[in-house]
Amino acid sequence: ETGVTQTPRHLVMGMTNKKSLKCEQHLGHNAMYWYKQSAKKPLELMFVYSLEERVENNSVPSRFSPECPNSSHLFLHLHTLQPEDSALYLCASSFLVQDTEAFFGQGTRLTVV
Amino acid sequence: SQQGEEDPQALSIQEGENATMNCSYKTSINNLQWYRQNSGRGLVHLILIRSNEREKHSGRLRVTLDTSKKSSSLLITASRAADTASYFCATGGSNYQLIWGAGTKLIIKP
Repeated sequence: ETGVTQTPRHLVMGMTNKKSLKCEQHLGHNAMYWYKQSAKKPLELMFVYSLEERVENNSVPSRFSPECPNSSHLFLHLHTLQPEDSALYLCASSFLVQDTEAFFGQGTRLTVV
Repeated sequence: SQQGEEDPQALSIQEGENATMNCSYKTSINNLQWYRQNSGRGLVHLILIRSNEREKHSGRLRVTLDTSKKSSSLLITASRAADTASYFCATGGSNYQLIWGAGTKLIIKP
């Protein structure tokens, strides 16, 4: 256990569905991240939250909508996704200082049909 | 954007042999980190080396950093079947972002 928990572990959704991914960290970190991992590609940073404020949005389509209600919880709301959005979605947390490591959840394997 | 590029993309060795993976990057960094990922699961941090360090050890892991060549290597000595995983390097700069490579898939044959 890394102290970062993601649910669900697997999700299959249709292109017209709305679903949400959840991430929770118990490490007292002040920054949380959403990453997308596709096969044979580097991890893509989607969103960064620091102290519950979004500080980074790397040109992610609006069909992905993050929410950070407090420093321990992070959500990724999904709607009208495309098949190419199928990937492993990873949540991570860290302290917002230099030379620190990130702690990852186990990921949500998303399949869009 | 991709910063680290791991080499090789895939590596298959016999148990007990040493495994070496390399990472190259493009811009200046504050640190370089190596992570491990078992199939379809989250990443686990292995080791962090700061830009003013040249070598670091942790158990069977040895990491080197050459900032003049913008490259790093990860050596796993006396490999075990349980070391089978994908290994990623990530560079940390002056902000909070880590920039990642595409990883090396390591297979240890028993």
